[in-house]
Amino acid sequence: NAGVTQTPKFQVLKTGQSMTLQCAQDMNHNSMYWYRQDPGMGLRLIYYSASEGTTDKGEVPNGYNVSRLNKREFSLRLESAAPSQTSVYFCASRDTGAGEKLFFGSGTQLSVL
Amino acid sequence: AQTVTQSQPEMSVQEAETVTLSCTYDTSESNYYLFWYKQPPSRQMILVIRQEAYKQQNATENRFSVNFQKAAKSFSLKISDSQLGDTAMYFCAFTDSNYQLIWGAGTKLIIKP
Repeated sequence: NAGVTQTPKFQVLKTGQSMTLQCAQDMNHNSMYWYRQDPGMGLRLIYYSASEGTTDKGEVPNGYNVSRLNKREFSLRLESAAPSQTSVYFCASRDTGAGEKLFFGSGTQLSVL
Repeated sequence: AQTVTQSQPEMSVQEAETVTLSCTYDTSESNYYLFWYKQPPSRQMILVIRQEAYKQQNATENRFSVNFQKAAKSFSLKISDSQLGDTAMYFCAFTDSNYQLIWGAGTKLIIKP
């Protein structure tokens, strides 16, 4: 039972480079999320997708784009990475049938030099 | 604005002791969910306990229990008989009207042998 699979686990970029973080869930959840986690702060929502075909901005969307490719997959793209985007990124999906419980991927440590 | 405050950035206790982590939140909603998540050094986000705001009875999960005071907007986590494996960051969160989670900054809990 894989749950939420997130790749890569680690990535180092140079300023201005682009990359895509991949996320897939096998639990048939409608809602999926991308968060970033910075030291001393709680998780902050970047983008979310309430269902296949829809995406919405969260608290900190600037510098990111997302694609809900199908019900399983929700990717996060950095078009031109900046040092301020150095963070740990988490993908999550939500089980509305279990009291709004979130299931998380294992996270991506991204460093932008 | 909806916020979560965890007033204890770091706590440490001896193994087998009981520890209480505090959390207060601010919302105008009447119905919502509250959560405590644990993040060990492995970085994985793990759900510890969940409370539905319309339920007066405090949730319990084995050694973990909450003290939910709705009027005071307080949601503290009590860990009984603490174990070395409880060492982790603990995050308090609640759902807003769109079922998005609002997160606290976390409390680092260290269990000493």
